[in-house]
Amino acid sequence: GEDVEQSLFLSVREGDSSVINCTYTDSSSTYLYWYKQEPGAGLQLLTYIFSNMDMKQDQRLTVLLNKKDKHLSLRIADTQTGDSAIYFCAAALYNFNKFYFGSGTKLNVKP
Amino acid sequence: DGGITQSPKYLFRKEGQNVTLSCEQNLNHDAMYWYRQDPGQGLRLIYYSQIVNDFQKGDIAEGYSVSREKKESFPLTVTSAQKNPTAFYLCASMGRAQTSGTTGELFFGEGSRLTVL
Repeated sequence: GEDVEQSLFLSVREGDSSVINCTYTDSSSTYLYWYKQEPGAGLQLLTYIFSNMDMKQDQRLTVLLNKKDKHLSLRIADTQTGDSAIYFCAAALYNFNKFYFGSGTKLNVKP
Repeated sequence: DGGITQSPKYLFRKEGQNVTLSCEQNLNHDAMYWYRQDPGQGLRLIYYSQIVNDFQKGDIAEGYSVSREKKESFPLTVTSAQKNPTAFYLCASMGRAQTSGTTGELFFGEGSRLTVL
C-alpha cells in the first residue's frame, strides 16, 4: 500500500513563511490533500491538488507537487499564531476507496 | 447545519469490556470511514463502508467491528479482543465518488477519545 511520510515538527516566527513537506510512494495516487487539525478536534480540508497539476495557490496557501520525486509541499505565507496546528498530508487513488495519511507535522508559530 | 456527530467525546472502559462509538452524519454521504489516531502516528484506517449494508476491513480491523444498517449511521464497536484500544477515534464521510466534480474531500467528526482503565 501507499506510504506517506512527513517530518513531525516545524517551528516558525509569526509573519514568516512555513513550508511543510511530504513524500509518498505510490505513483498511482491521483489526489493529494492537506488537512489541518486543531487540538482535540477532527481534521478539516485545507486544500487539494490533482496529480496532473504542478502547483495550486489558494490565498496564503501554495501547494507544489513534484510527481517525479513523489514530493508534495504546503507553503503558508505570512504565518499567523492561529495557524499553529497539526498538518496532515494524504493521498488517494482515483476510486477514493482508501485514503493514506502521513503522521502529521506539528506547526508551532512563535509570536 | 450539516455535519458529522461523534459521541461520546470521552469514554473510559475497563479491560474486558466492549464499547460502541457512535457516528452519525446528515450530509447524505454514501461513504463512511473509521480511523484511529495515536500520538506521532498518522491516521490508520479501521473500517470503511461505501454503501449501506456493506463494509470493508481497513488496515487495522482486528479487535473492532462495525455495522452500516442506515446511510446516516456507522457505529464502531471496540471489543475486548483489541489489545491496545486507548486512542483517539475519528469518523469521516465522503459524498459519492462518481459525483461530477468530486474532490474526494473527507468530512471529519470531532473525534472520540477512548481510555482503558
